[in-house]
Amino acid sequence: EDQVTQSPEALRLQEGESSSLNCSYTVSGLRGLFWYRQDPGKGPEFLFTLYSAGEEKEKERLKATLTKKESFLHITAPKPEDSATYLCAVRTDSWGKLQFGSGTQVVVTP
Amino acid sequence: GAGVSQSPSNKVTEKGKDVELRCDPISGHTALYWYRQRLGQGLEFLIYFQGNSAPDKSGLPSDRFSAERTGESVSTLTIQRTQQEDSAVYLCASSLTGDPQYFGAGTRLSVL
Repeated sequence: EDQVTQSPEALRLQEGESSSLNCSYTVSGLRGLFWYRQDPGKGPEFLFTLYSAGEEKEKERLKATLTKKESFLHITAPKPEDSATYLCAVRTDSWGKLQFGSGTQVVVTP
Repeated sequence: GAGVSQSPSNKVTEKGKDVELRCDPISGHTALYWYRQRLGQGLEFLIYFQGNSAPDKSGLPSDRFSAERTGESVSTLTIQRTQQEDSAVYLCASSLTGDPQYFGAGTRLSVL
């Protein structure tokens, strides 16, 4: 059975304190791994798509990496506005559904 | 341009009543998806539509749930005889090529 597991469940950081979030997956045939950010009361906001092991994507203070078993979302020198829940999802068929992990809630304090 | 629009943003209903939730996808997006997010949990896939193909209904939790889509436009998710366990945020997403999926703000459904 396909599984997507995110860790830690929650992360509290001081402003400027870099850290990494983990998304491990067990799926048959990865067709894409996705990172989203979700703020309270809002829908998920797309961040990155990764398709193959070794691929990396960057956007401002965020960098996503992918191996054959897991993905990391690195947050470098975070600011309070980076506080959100970060969701990881995988797709295993063309056009089809995303299977989401349960998310990591990140709080960045000044 | 406009993003994915969902209405209503909040819906309170009584157990046993039917509800309809609406989704307007991004113009030109051929794929449309419905997900459910229960409090403190990850998103669960419900159904998706892709062009004129038969929808993938594999995530619908029971026959009380159904969805329709008019061409490549609006979609409606209907829940009949609502139960308290149906309380959740219902999220709609659309996509042009399959990747990525862009989400609306969701409809928060509360069943009393």
